[in-house]
Amino acid sequence: DIQMTQSPSTLSASVGDRVTISCRASQSISSWLAWYQQKPGKAPKLLIYKASTLESGVPSRFSGSGSGTEFTLTISSLQPDDFAAYYCQQYSSLYTFGQGTKLEIK
Amino acid sequence: QVTLREAGPALVKPTQTLTLTCTFSGFSLSTRAMCVSWVRQPPGKALEWLARIDWDDDKYYNTSLKTRLTISKDTSKNQVVLTMSNMAPVDTATYYCARIPPDRYGNSRPFDYWGQGALVTVSS
Repeated sequence: DIQMTQSPSTLSASVGDRVTISCRASQSISSWLAWYQQKPGKAPKLLIYKASTLESGVPSRFSGSGSGTEFTLTISSLQPDDFAAYYCQQYSSLYTFGQGTKLEIK
Repeated sequence: QVTLREAGPALVKPTQTLTLTCTFSGFSLSTRAMCVSWVRQPPGKALEWLARIDWDDDKYYNTSLKTRLTISKDTSKNQVVLTMSNMAPVDTATYYCARIPPDRYGNSRPFDYWGQGALVTVSS
């Protein structure tokens, strides 16, 4: 099974900051990587798929990059609505989620 | 408009079998390459994929839970059912169903629509 490792597990930042979350796969997954945002008590929301393709309706301050085993999610200028948990997911070989990154207000 | 909704017991006893139903609308599981998956999330913890059923009735399971899981569908009712046997307190979680849309090039796709989730507590 493919393992996904996210870092950091917690990230403290302020409105307007640029933040980056990393995700590493235990083997190459090409670009079959998605990023989800989850707010407390809510279902995850798809932000990015195929490593860098923005889902319809997602603000352009979100971007994704990477291929193979190393991936990043970048939020260019944090907005109050962005404080949430973020998960990466590989869908190259069935599915595996990362352990999540909690983005909190500094 | 695509919607999914999970239904099932809020409380199950240890060793019992859990049955969850996902009822969806806005798409059909008879559409080529359409799939539905189940995902769970223990309180305060990460997401864990459980199972997937495809339009053609192919089924896939999390390898570590495979012996306990069964997924099935009723296309006429727009429902997907997940059963998990021998429930234990560690299975306490919110259980989600989610749609995996077809890709026009036949590529893999992630989960684009999710249900609101159903919290299941395992306790005697």
